Amino acid sequence: SQQGEEDPQALSIQEGENATMNCSYKTSINNLQWYRQNSGRGLVHLILIRSNEREKHSGRLRVTLDTSKKSSSLLITASRAADTASYFCATAEGGSEKLVFGKGTKLTVNP
Amino acid sequence: DAMVIQNPRYQVTQFGKPVTLSCSQTLNHNVMYWYQQKSSQAPKLLFHYYDKDFNNEADTPDNFQSRRPNTSFCFLDIRSPGLGDAAMYLCATSRVILQNIQYFGAGTRLSVL
Repeated sequence: SQQGEEDPQALSIQEGENATMNCSYKTSINNLQWYRQNSGRGLVHLILIRSNEREKHSGRLRVTLDTSKKSSSLLITASRAADTASYFCATAEGGSEKLVFGKGTKLTVNP
Repeated sequence: DAMVIQNPRYQVTQFGKPVTLSCSQTLNHNVMYWYQQKSSQAPKLLFHYYDKDFNNEADTPDNFQSRRPNTSFCFLDIRSPGLGDAAMYLCATSRVILQNIQYFGAGTRLSVL
């Protein structure tokens, strides 16, 4: 299994601070995605980074990918209380329609 | 709005009593997935349909079955629910040419009494 491993498992910060979450995976990938899950709800796709990309931005989100280290990071800048959620990385192998999800980071942003 | 809809949101069943969860989509995606998610854990893929082709994960118990009568609908049948099957069940869809981005329903929370 190439299940990703996120760290930290839980992160608590104050509103306005930046939040950084990391993800490691085991095998070669086609792309890596980050999803968000509010408590008791489904997952929502946030951002996708291809294996030949190193960095990608979307609004307050910044994702980096280091394929040599098989790792990725998600940075949320200027966090808000509404960013409180669990964040999962997911990897896609070339040719597969499946994603493998990591264990997730639970982010709490305190007002 | 195009979306993935799961019904019901909450389902209570009795130990051993068959239960069916449903998922519908208006995205016209060719792949539909069923995940099981327990508290504070990652979603675990149970199986998926690629068009009409059913793909079971090796570690999915036989107690779990699925049907996809058409592109829009997919069902998860649990033949004899046990206490360990209490979980959130998530349905997702994707259009493979769109790099496997998956669109999730809100989930069905299953309780087994």
